Amino acid sequence: GIQVEQSPPDLILQEGANSTLRCNFSDSVNNLQWFHQNPWGQLINLFYIPSGTKQNGRLSATTVATERYSLLYISSSQTTDSGVYFCAVSSNTGNQFYFGTGTSLTVIP
Amino acid sequence: GAGVSQTPSNKVTEKGKYVELRCDPISGHTALYWYRQSLGQGPEFLIYFQGTGAADDSGLPNDRFFAVRPEGSVSTLKIQRTERGDSAVYLCASSKSGGPWGEQFFGPGTRLTVL
Repeated sequence: GIQVEQSPPDLILQEGANSTLRCNFSDSVNNLQWFHQNPWGQLINLFYIPSGTKQNGRLSATTVATERYSLLYISSSQTTDSGVYFCAVSSNTGNQFYFGTGTSLTVIP
Repeated sequence: GAGVSQTPSNKVTEKGKYVELRCDPISGHTALYWYRQSLGQGPEFLIYFQGTGAADDSGLPNDRFFAVRPEGSVSTLKIQRTERGDSAVYLCASSKSGGPWGEQFFGPGTRLTVL
């Protein structure tokens, strides 16, 4: 299966700071999604982004499929951004959806 | 419209018992997935349904685990002879288009604890 690596594993930010989360994957993909898992365990869809760039408010994401990585940008972070951010991908040749190990973000006031 | 729903939200059982976990996908979504998430880990794929049939069950850990989706909507994950190692959060997701390349939407999960 595809290997998905996320970095950094942990991140602590002061409220208002910006951050970049990275997702590297080992094969060609036809689906890439970023999720935020809140403290109650709910996975919230942030972006469906197998390629290109998208923006939604303070969040934006870029996937460079040819170089097998994706970036999630969080600007002007807020305490409600705290939680675990997951990247997940599926390959062109399989049915499975593979999650990375996540980045745990803590935003302190 | 309503999102993916899962029941129960929490299930505590004793080792050796049988449990059923239910998933109601988003209306109109033909694809349905089950995942298992252990503490500190990302979700791991268990099984994928396209309509009523299991298109890929390669993630089921052993034959104690079984899932059905008889009418192409609601799905039930069944675990026989539960073991303490089965304790985890079981997540369900659905997508409008077939295959894992469609955008997946997740339910809140069922937290299973096997004593």
